[in-house]
Amino acid sequence: ILNVEQSPQSLHVQEGDSTNFTCSFPSSNFYALHWYRWETAKSPEALFVMTLNGDEKKKGRISATLNTKEGYSYLYIKGSQPEDSATYLCARYPNTGNQFYFGTGTSLTVIP
Amino acid sequence: DADVTQTPRNRITKTGKRIMLECSQTKGHDRMYWYRQDPGLGLRLIYYSFDVKDINKGEISDGYSVSRQAQAKFSLSLESAIPNQTALYFCATSDRPWVAGGHNEQFFGPGTRLTVL
Repeated sequence: ILNVEQSPQSLHVQEGDSTNFTCSFPSSNFYALHWYRWETAKSPEALFVMTLNGDEKKKGRISATLNTKEGYSYLYIKGSQPEDSATYLCARYPNTGNQFYFGTGTSLTVIP
Repeated sequence: DADVTQTPRNRITKTGKRIMLECSQTKGHDRMYWYRQDPGLGLRLIYYSFDVKDINKGEISDGYSVSRQAQAKFSLSLESAIPNQTALYFCATSDRPWVAGGHNEQFFGPGTRLTVL
């Protein structure tokens, strides 16, 4: 994988459903992986910063895991609520160089 | 008050015009960034600055220039705007990675929607 890839591109779920989506990235030269939530008409806000293989972070109903050896991270939302509707971005920060590489995001719509 | 502000929020201009987008922050961060967002593409880095005397090109710097006037201010200029520079532009800041265990968490401004006709 040369770039950061996110799947699926978009997702519609019913309120109360649990869901998850994937961020894939080059496993070499890894320093950190960030998840951001971007609500419509707002700016992206950081959810998680993950650095260690096997890391698992949690914030309320949202959690994320990291596998740096195989180059992927999962974001899970348990019991989705309408306010979870947003685009979820992941970004890789490599060990060399000074810039982030963002994926194109997963757009989540939670239907009441 | 917002920690990272951008002006203007919306701008429509014509091909060939010079445009400046401004970014100010009150977070006290050393690092500032300019990104652009296009539909179907991820955020792409245009320029970044790690302190007042430091300017670095990002992934897509052609056609843009920047100025870091102070720790709190970072301006992006389009010297001669062209239609494919129509996009949503974000300014962001971050602290140094080793401060308080941080890892360059980005704090974004509200965005500037630029349309070049």
